[in-house]
Amino acid sequence: DSGVTQTPKHLITATGQRVTLRCSPRSGDLSVYWYQQSLDQGLQFLIQYYNGEERAKGNILERFSAQQFPDLHSELNLSSLELGDSALYFCASSSSGLSYNEQFFGPGTRLTVL
Amino acid sequence: TQLLEQSPQFLSIQEGENLTVYCNSSSVFSSLQWYRQEPGEGPVLLVTVVTGGEVKKLKRLTFQFGDARKDSSLHITAAQPGDTGLYLCAGDGNRDDKIIFGKGTRLHILP
Repeated sequence: DSGVTQTPKHLITATGQRVTLRCSPRSGDLSVYWYQQSLDQGLQFLIQYYNGEERAKGNILERFSAQQFPDLHSELNLSSLELGDSALYFCASSSSGLSYNEQFFGPGTRLTVL
Repeated sequence: TQLLEQSPQFLSIQEGENLTVYCNSSSVFSSLQWYRQEPGEGPVLLVTVVTGGEVKKLKRLTFQFGDARKDSSLHITAAQPGDTGLYLCAGDGNRDDKIIFGKGTRLHILP
């Protein structure tokens, strides 16, 4: 158990819909990272927040957005969903804002878009 | 664009055998990390290497960072079924604070 929690574990929805994925970092960790993992693309970095502010942006689509709240939990919003958005979405946390510090990954949310 | 290529993509060997998997790039990385991911779980960090030529050992696992900091290898001695999983290498981008993952080597150890 990494100490990072993600909800829901599974999510099935239809194209065009909007979903919200939630992540609670390890106690004391200020950084939250979001990743998308698919079989063909591997693990892709989407976005990082540090202490409530956006720190780094990766391959995140404009249809996707995220935020980190004062209690440090984070949400990833995916809208106008397409079939290709089906993937595992991981949240990770670390104590600092530096990406090469150890990141602790949550169990992931499996999103299926039908 | 910085890329990390991992090889082989898949590897299935018998328990007790040795193996080496590779992580290569044309770019220089300040540091490289190796993660293992088991089915249904998130990746778990195994090691971070930061110095060119560095060798780190974790029980039966030996990690090496290339002298030029462009590549890394993971050697497993006497593989066991518990070593089965997806092995990912990740490097921190020099130009920005983003981490880049390879697509991984899926390892299966047969009992």
